This record gives sequence, C-alpha cells and structure tokens, in this order.
Amino acid sequence: AQSVTQLGSHVSVSEGALVLLRCNYSSSVPPYLFWYVQYPNQGLQLLLKYTTGATLVKGINGFEAEFKKSETSFHLTKPSAHMSDAAEYFCAVSGGYSSASKIIFGSGTRLSIRP
Amino acid sequence: GAGVSQSPSNKVTEKGKDVELRCDPISGHTALYWYRQSLGQGLEFLIYFQGNSAPDKSGLPSDRFSAERTGGSVSTLTIQRTQQEDSAVYLCASSHDRGPLGYTFGSGTRLTVV
Repeated sequence: AQSVTQLGSHVSVSEGALVLLRCNYSSSVPPYLFWYVQYPNQGLQLLLKYTTGATLVKGINGFEAEFKKSETSFHLTKPSAHMSDAAEYFCAVSGGYSSASKIIFGSGTRLSIRP
Repeated sequence: GAGVSQSPSNKVTEKGKDVELRCDPISGHTALYWYRQSLGQGLEFLIYFQGNSAPDKSGLPSDRFSAERTGGSVSTLTIQRTQQEDSAVYLCASSHDRGPLGYTFGSGTRLTVV
C-alpha cells in the first residue's frame, strides 16, 4: 500500500525567496512520485514526476524535486518564488505504471507568496 | 474531446436528494478515476474504471455512492440521499495506457449539500 504525508498545510514565503514544500511517502513497492499544482478554481496540473533513473527531477515553472530513498522523501523546491506560484500543491504516489496503480494524494500544502 | 469534461461545474442540492455527476474522458482513454476533494483534505480516491468495469471500488465511502461507465466512455457518479458531509469537489481523471503517468484531470464538480 502507498501513502503520502505533506508537512505543513500552509507555507508562506516572500517573493524571490526559496520555496520548499516537504513530502514523505510510504510504499511497499518502488514508488512513482508526483507533484501536482492546483490554481484557484482550476483542475490539477502535473508539475513533475519521478519514475526511475535520475533522482533529481525538473518540472515546469522552475520547480524541481529530489527523490531520496533513504529518507523516503520527495521534497519540492524552487530557488526564487514568484507571485504566480501561489496555489495548492499536492504530493502523490503510485505503486506502478499500470492503470490499476491509482495515484494516492497527500492532503496538500497551500503556498502563499508575500510581496 | 480535447480534455476531460465534467458537468455540472457546480451543483447545490438539498439534503436527502439524489445527485448525478458526469465525466466525459478524453477520447480513447480506457482508464477513468473518480476522486473527492473535501475542504482542507487531499484528494480521496473513490473508484477506478478500466473500460466499463470497475476493478477497484475500494474508495467509495458508503453504499449511497455508486458509479457506472458506459461504452467505455462517459461515467456517472451517483450519490443517493445526499448528506452535508458529501459536500466537496468531485474530480475525474482519465488515462490512456500509461496509468498514473498519463492522468488528465477535469476541472471538477463542486457539490454543496444544504
């Protein structure tokens, strides 16, 4: 079985500051890991995903995440926050690539950007 | 269609009434998933369809919830005798043959039970 824990339901950073959103996972099989973003009143958009291979994954809008198996973590970072980054971010895990391997989501972290 | 379409976008219903939520997946996508997003909660998995069959219904919260899919395309999520705790955004996603690697989400249906 898979599960995800996102540390911090709300994170606030200043514009231009580092963004760090924390995610820890649990999986009984090698995990596939995802970060999704949800802008207000919009659907979910995939930011980035880890499947196999390189543990540092780059996504859209300057975000990246590093898979650390020893720490069971997949934290999301961005060097310099922009006002447009304000949104809800969801970390997620699945146990494989078959259609039956549904994605399990964390409870989300709301990111606010201070001018 | 070009994306996953959900209707209605908003639904307000009285407690005790039945509601139907519709999902039109991307044409050709064989897998379809329903999730529920409650205020302050993450996305809770409800049910997964492969074609017209539902091999995983493990997330349906009670027997008031049911779903079907016809023609390997449109899916309907039905909630009978709605309760206030059913208020949430119901999201649908579809995928071709890449499972979780190919999810495309709809914009959701916001259900409010008054």
